[in-house]
Amino acid sequence: EPEVTQTPSHQVTQMGQEVILRCVPISNHLYFYWYRQILGQKVEFLVSFYNNEISEKSEIFDDQFSVERPDGSNFTLKIRSTKLEDSAMYFCAKRGGREGYTFGSGTRLTVV
Amino acid sequence: GESVGLHLPTLSVQEGDNSIINCAYSNSASDYFIWYKQESGKGPQFIIDIRSNMDKRQGQRVTVLLNKTVKHLSLQIAATQPGDSAVYFCAENRDSGGGADGLTFGKGTHLIIQP
Repeated sequence: EPEVTQTPSHQVTQMGQEVILRCVPISNHLYFYWYRQILGQKVEFLVSFYNNEISEKSEIFDDQFSVERPDGSNFTLKIRSTKLEDSAMYFCAKRGGREGYTFGSGTRLTVV
Repeated sequence: GESVGLHLPTLSVQEGDNSIINCAYSNSASDYFIWYKQESGKGPQFIIDIRSNMDKRQGQRVTVLLNKTVKHLSLQIAATQPGDSAVYFCAENRDSGGGADGLTFGKGTHLIIQP
C-alpha cells in the first residue's frame, strides 16, 4: 500500500475554475508538503503544513492557493481560479521515516 | 538564482557500465541532501541521502559523495541496468530547520541506459 496516495491522477479544468487536489498521507506524520512540477522542469516547493497550519510557503504559493487538512487524514490543495500556467504535476509529500521525504505519485492538472 | 543545479541535462551510458551524476549547490546552510529518481509520469522516488557530517554513503549499487568544500554532490550508480533509465534529481534542505523548509531541487539529469 502506498504511503502517500493522491487523487485524482489527472484533472482537466477550464481556466478560471476552482480545483481541489487531494492527498492521503497514511500514518501519523506532522509535516506535509505540496510541490509542483511543470512539464520538463524541476520540482518546486509550494508549501509546508505542520500541526494544521502553514509553516512555510514559496513565492509560487500566492493567494490563489490554499491548503487544508479538513478531517485529520486528507490533505488538500485548492487553487481558486486556475490559470493556464497552473498546468503541472502536483505532488504531495510527507516527512518522516527512513527515507526522509516520501512523495505521492502526483496529480496531473491540465488547465484549458 | 538557483540553490541547486546539475552539470549535465542528459547522460547516456552502456548497460553494465558505471554512471556518475553530478550536482552543485550554493546554500552553505544546507545540511541534508537527497537523490531522487523520477520515472515518466511518476513522483520522485528516494534513492539515497546524506547529511553534511558525512562525505560518503553507500547503498545497494549506489554511492553518494558530498564535497562541502566545493559544494558538490554526486551519485554513482554501479553496473547500470535498463531500469535505471530515468531523470535523477538532487535536492537539498536545512535539516536543522526542523522540517518546515521544503526541499530545493536541481534541474535533473536524464540518464539513458543503452543496450
